[in-house]
Amino acid sequence: TQLLEQSPQFLSIQEGENLTVYCNSSSVFSSLQWYRQEPGEGPVLLVTVVTGGEVKKLKRLTFQFGDARKDSSLHITAAQPGDTGLYLCAGADNNDMRFGAGTRLTVKP
Amino acid sequence: DTGVSQNPRHKITKRGQNVTFRCDPISEHNRLYWYRQTLGQGPEFLTYFQNEAQLEKSRLLSDRFSAERPKGSFSTLEIQRTEQGDSAMYLCASSGWDSLLYGYTFGSGTRLTVV
Repeated sequence: TQLLEQSPQFLSIQEGENLTVYCNSSSVFSSLQWYRQEPGEGPVLLVTVVTGGEVKKLKRLTFQFGDARKDSSLHITAAQPGDTGLYLCAGADNNDMRFGAGTRLTVKP
Repeated sequence: DTGVSQNPRHKITKRGQNVTFRCDPISEHNRLYWYRQTLGQGPEFLTYFQNEAQLEKSRLLSDRFSAERPKGSFSTLEIQRTEQGDSAMYLCASSGWDSLLYGYTFGSGTRLTVV
């Protein structure tokens, strides 16, 4: 059972479109992380959010942590084919991170 | 440092055989984690080491699974009497004390196929 629910499960869009993916939980997390994973590789950390209401920007990616620290969103502006991958959120649970099932994003040229 | 290294990258084994995977973490990292990932799912936590001490084990880690980190450096994950349900990607990650801020560094994983 995943503590973190991610939606949508799959997303296929055209290059240049904007998108938002979500990560929700009934639990409060001390921090929440977003990773991106490509086929046959391990996840790679994109960002950590710690403070409720926090917004972080990484070029075309905007991450938001909910005020109650139970949910988060990732917004991508002007998506590119290189953004294709599995986007995973992970919440701190004691000494380790627990992952959602991910959103599989495909950006078509 | 070349990051987290896992060997082998792929392993095909017959049901009932034992397999062992190795993980070499980033040398400065004192924490090491094993996760299992099946198709369409996120990584599921298996176990966690701080230096050589195994501090937490998931219910997923049945008595056929054992993990060690004998000198607080590399780690091994052994699966005895493999079953088809063990087929998955086994991921190793490492971190320092500040993992909640700086996250984990993952290896490329070992893909196990039990036939």
